[in-house]
Amino acid sequence: NAGVTQTPKFRVLKTGQSMTLLCAQDMNHEYMYWYRQDPGMGLRLIHYSVGEGTTAKGEVPDGYNVSRLKKQNFLLGLESAAPSQTSVYFCASSYPTGGQETQYFGPGTRLLVL
Amino acid sequence: AQSVTQPDIHITVSEGASLELRCNYSYGATPYLFWYVQSPGQGLQLLLKYFSGDTLVQGIKGFEAEFKRSQSSFNLRKPSVHWSDAAEYFCAVGNDYKLSFGAGTTVTVRA
Repeated sequence: NAGVTQTPKFRVLKTGQSMTLLCAQDMNHEYMYWYRQDPGMGLRLIHYSVGEGTTAKGEVPDGYNVSRLKKQNFLLGLESAAPSQTSVYFCASSYPTGGQETQYFGPGTRLLVL
Repeated sequence: AQSVTQPDIHITVSEGASLELRCNYSYGATPYLFWYVQSPGQGLQLLLKYFSGDTLVQGIKGFEAEFKRSQSSFNLRKPSVHWSDAAEYFCAVGNDYKLSFGAGTTVTVRA
């Protein structure tokens, strides 16, 4: 099993450009998450999904959109990138166990917005 | 609202010495508590988790953590640190599948 994979690993964007980050998991997990990691702030939840076709906002959703058309994939979109979105983005997935879920993380995508 | 505080931003420890990382949480109900480790350039890996029962939890790589409800703490310990333990460590609290992470503690191991 590959676990959780993220594409691309690194990307440089200019302000105003758009892009999509892809997360894929092969563990048949119901739940998927997108986080951003910034120095001194830990991980902050952007959006999450509790099943195919459903998404919800997390702690810092502004400027991002997501889609979960297939159970194994969770896409994070930036419609008009801003320098404040320079960050490391992590995707995670988990299987529902009544709140005791262990989240499995991908290796991250490093995004630089100029 | 749930939140986590990791008071130590950076800790340096000698190889073979003991390690303790502090974590304080704020949560309105019975918390589910987690410690994750992130090696340079990698994603996060679960070290251990606490849901209920025994307040001393054993994890992977020789780590353990103790839940103290009276102090709202969930400190991580390791009796003897190895050079491979150099990493960033995150404490997290959550329930209903949403986690709040602390800012992290970076551990440097010196020979």
